[in-house]
Formats: sequence, structure tokens, C-alpha cells
Amino acid sequence: NAGVMQNPRHLVRRRGQEARLRCSPMKGHSHVYWYRQLPEEGLKFMVYLQKENIIDESGMPKERFSAEFPKEGPSILRIQQVVRGDSAAYFCASSPRSYEQYFGPGTRLTVT
Amino acid sequence: GDSVTQMEGPVTLSEEAFLTINCTYTATGYPSLFWYVQYPGEGLQLLLKATKADDKGSNKGFEATYRKETTSFHLEKGSVQVSDSAVYFCALSVSKGGSEKLVFGKGTKLTVNP
Repeated sequence: NAGVMQNPRHLVRRRGQEARLRCSPMKGHSHVYWYRQLPEEGLKFMVYLQKENIIDESGMPKERFSAEFPKEGPSILRIQQVVRGDSAAYFCASSPRSYEQYFGPGTRLTVT
Repeated sequence: GDSVTQMEGPVTLSEEAFLTINCTYTATGYPSLFWYVQYPGEGLQLLLKATKADDKGSNKGFEATYRKETTSFHLEKGSVQVSDSAVYFCALSVSKGGSEKLVFGKGTKLTVNP
């Protein structure tokens, strides 16, 4: 059973460009969580999705950030018009049900 | 709000030394508690967990006991190895309105020297 897949592993964007981060959950998992890890910090919750639904987006910045988890295909975290402060590691986790989350290897976004 | 506080690092130990990383939490209700480990350049791996008071989680020689009276979940290992060098995160699971998000501490970097 393959683990949580994220791609790309590393992404470099210039200020003002768009960043798209993809997450394929483990087989059979219908819950997806996105977290952001700033340098020297712990992970901060961003958003929780189930298939075609956003359940909790209380950790998402109000502007420029969006997330989706379509019926088919991976979950996407989209950051429009990136700024240097968006540079971080973004982790996706999936779960078959409540509380036990399995993390992907992360996407390290660098904004130049 | 819900939060996790863990001892600041970095922590440097010699091989076979005893390890303790302190973790305390603040939460409404009855959270589940976790320790995750992150090796350099990798994602987080679940190390151990406890879902109710007095539960002891254990894995790979690491242990932690859910202490409701002291709101703590300290990580211990009797004899560390060089391969244990990593960043360790304490976390709690908060269930609200159908969401089960994790709240993390800032992490403690452990270096074990031969």
C-alpha cells in the first residue's frame, strides 16, 4: 500500500506566480489535511477536506490560498501571487477516519 | 485555545544515554496525544499515540504516558542510538465540528553522538 504522495517535492516560484501543490492520499483514505511548516516552527493546520467538500478551513489565509479535493484525482493546494513569506514546507496528511493521520514527504516551496 | 508546549532544543546526547523530552498541553475536552518524528528532509512519521488518560504509547523503545492530572505526555527512551537523531513533535488531536485537526508543538531537535 503506497503511502501519501506529494508532488512536486521542491518548487521554486518567483514573486507573483502561482504555486500548485498536489497530494494523493493513501488508498482508501477519504480525509485529507494540509499543514504548513515555517522554518524552525512546528506544523500549523491549514485545511481539512473530504471528497468534494471543505470541512474546516479555519487555518487558511483569507486571501490567495485555496484547496480542493475533487471526486477524482489528487487534492490541490493552490497559492496565487506568491510572496516570500509563503516559503515553507507544506505537508499533506490523509486518514481513513478520525484522528490517525498519515503524512506525505512534503513540498518545499521557495519563493524568490 | 488548544496548544502544545514542548521543551526547547536542541538536545545533544551520547549514544546509550537516557532521553526525556517534556510535553504539556492545554485542551478543552479529551484530546488524543501523539509523538511524531521527522528525519532530515522527510515528512512526519507517527511514533506513538495515546487516546485516553493513563494510556501508555510505546514504539521502538520510546514510551509516553498520557497524564491527565499534569496535562503531560513526556517522551522517554532508556538508551538512544545515533539513528534516533531527528526532530520530535508532540501533538494533540482536536475534534470540533467534524474536524480532527492536529495541533503541534514547535519540535525538539535531538542529536545523538557516537
